[in-house]
Amino acid sequence: AQSVTQLGSHVSVSEGALVLLRCNYSSSVPPYLFWYVQYPNQGLQLLLKYTSAATLVKGINGFEAEFKKSETSFHLTKPSAHMSDAAEYFCAVSDRIRDDKIIFGKGTRLHILP
Amino acid sequence: DVKVTQSSRYLVKRTGEKVFLECVQDMDHENMFWYRQDPGLGLRLIYFSYDVKMKEKGDIPEGYSVSREKKERFSLILESASTNQTSMYLCASLSASGTGTPPLHFGNGTRLTVT
Repeated sequence: AQSVTQLGSHVSVSEGALVLLRCNYSSSVPPYLFWYVQYPNQGLQLLLKYTSAATLVKGINGFEAEFKKSETSFHLTKPSAHMSDAAEYFCAVSDRIRDDKIIFGKGTRLHILP
Repeated sequence: DVKVTQSSRYLVKRTGEKVFLECVQDMDHENMFWYRQDPGLGLRLIYFSYDVKMKEKGDIPEGYSVSREKKERFSLILESASTNQTSMYLCASLSASGTGTPPLHFGNGTRLTVT
């Protein structure tokens, strides 16, 4: 069975500092991996996705994530945090056989300190 | 632009009431989903549908049912609402065509309170 684990339900970084949100996955088959972001009072929107074309994936708003098979990880990073990045971030996984069944992690709330 | 619309932003219902949550998408997507979101638990899949009149249970279907009579509309039904169903409910849709897993498109959510 597939699953994702997000380390840290809350992460705080200073404005301008590096953002690192951790995600580890478990999948018996090569996965598709996603990061979604949820701003206050909104639904989720896709930040980026990994589908095997390249291990380093660039997304919107300056975010990127690197797929590391050996570590079963797909951590999300951004070099310099902005106040507008404050949101909840969800890592998600689906498999290539049943790619409509998407499993979400528990989420990490990112706080940006002035 | 892609749009998933949930009919109510906030809803307050009493225990035992029958509750309908409505979701409409304008993208001609085949697949539609209902999730509930609770603090510390992330999103959990309740039901999904891959075609009109087709449905499949997700991870937490107990206490819920769904209806998909038209392609664009997917309804979540709480047969007899209980306080433990107080939550944020998110509807999403997905195109079944194409390759490489297109993204889920989400509505803005319905925050349901059962008193």
